[in-house]
Amino acid sequence: DAMVIQNPRYQVTQFGKPVTLSCSQTLNHNVMYWYQQKSSQAPKLLFHYYDKDFNNEADTPDNFQSRRPNTSFCFLDIRSPGLGDAAMYLCATSRVDAGGRGTQYFGPGTRLLVL
Amino acid sequence: AQSVTQLGSHVSVSEGALVLLRCNYSSSVPPYLFWYVQYPNQGLQLLLKYTSAATLVKGINGFEAEFKKSETSFHLTKPSAHMSDAAEYFCAVRTQGAQKLVFGQGTRLTINP
Repeated sequence: DAMVIQNPRYQVTQFGKPVTLSCSQTLNHNVMYWYQQKSSQAPKLLFHYYDKDFNNEADTPDNFQSRRPNTSFCFLDIRSPGLGDAAMYLCATSRVDAGGRGTQYFGPGTRLLVL
Repeated sequence: AQSVTQLGSHVSVSEGALVLLRCNYSSSVPPYLFWYVQYPNQGLQLLLKYTSAATLVKGINGFEAEFKKSETSFHLTKPSAHMSDAAEYFCAVRTQGAQKLVFGQGTRLTINP
């Protein structure tokens, strides 16, 4: 089945130690998104890639970076995790057409714990 | 700017009762509207979407939603609640030409036996 895959499902890191979360998709979607979701809150968009074009949200901290080496994979890098970065990180993908239409499909998420 | 308001952060119903989760949107252009469900420690699963076709939209798991432009609403309903419906539900809006979703704050649905 076509799907959005996130690895690992749970990640423990130490304060200040760089960490990378990964997302892959078999849907061949042109847009990939990264969201941060804290407890009892709605997902918050960090950034997205439209094909190879990177689009950062204005309030995303510089501590968060992303890479998309090819259509299928997208990575979230947290350069120096702080305790406040502990959250669920959700990857989503969408096939956006010329009119800007598309539906986002989410992966299962990676829960990050910072010690 | 687009926005979504979900009335009621917590809704509790009895098993077999009607489920009604409220969503009102604000958009200056015709919106695309979505309902997602999130089970504990899971990602968001698409329940249904409105994309300017039929105003009554049927989704998975027996859920449906009706788009009412005059009321700027897109409420989610299910005639008979099941224990497995207990989850967090998010309403979201996307306007034409935008690749981003704006989410409501979510409604936690509890089902009482």
